[in-house]
Amino acid sequence: DVKVTQSSRYLVKRTGEKVFLECVQDMDHENMFWYRQDPGLGLRLIYFSYDVKMKEKGDIPEGYSVSREKKERFSLILESASTNQTSMYLCASTRTPMGFSYEQYFGPGTRLTVT
Amino acid sequence: GQQLNQSPQSMFIQEGEDVSMNCTSSSIFNTWLWYKQEPGEGPVLLIALYKAGELTSNGRLTAQFGITRKDSFLNISASIPSDVGIYFCAGSRGNEKLTFGTGTRLTIIP
Repeated sequence: DVKVTQSSRYLVKRTGEKVFLECVQDMDHENMFWYRQDPGLGLRLIYFSYDVKMKEKGDIPEGYSVSREKKERFSLILESASTNQTSMYLCASTRTPMGFSYEQYFGPGTRLTVT
Repeated sequence: GQQLNQSPQSMFIQEGEDVSMNCTSSSIFNTWLWYKQEPGEGPVLLIALYKAGELTSNGRLTAQFGITRKDSFLNISASIPSDVGIYFCAGSRGNEKLTFGTGTRLTIIP
């Protein structure tokens, strides 16, 4: 079975803190994605990565950065957390090569609250 | 970004009833996916569809890839309490991104 894990289920941080969200997949997937999910807005893509050290901006990259130093790990970084970044963050991965995606497998999510 | 239109937004049904929901778009997709999300969890992939007209089943779930490639349908037969959750459709145009539906929240009345 595909397994995507996220480092924390719940996280509370203060405004201005640097926040790291970690995602690990154990299926040797090439593509990895970070989304945020908010009521009424659905899932919005923040960043994705085709391969190690490669990254592409999604629909809402502002205020975020990412790091992919190893194939199995994709980190989302909030450089200076703000209250409008309070959300559910979901990581996903797919097994297909660059340029085509389907069957994204999701982690359990991290519910981040910024106070 | 764009979202796919899902209907209904919510459903209240009794255990044992069948459920139907659909997802529509103004543009064509090459792949349709259906996910289920339970409270506090990430979406779980239920069914993937790759060809127009394709009908695929997964247990009591059946999904269809619309012939126009602009819609997809999900049916759940003989619903049970563990079917409760939010069902999302998602479409791919053959690139790296998925476009997600707005979700259908399913509630089962005891």
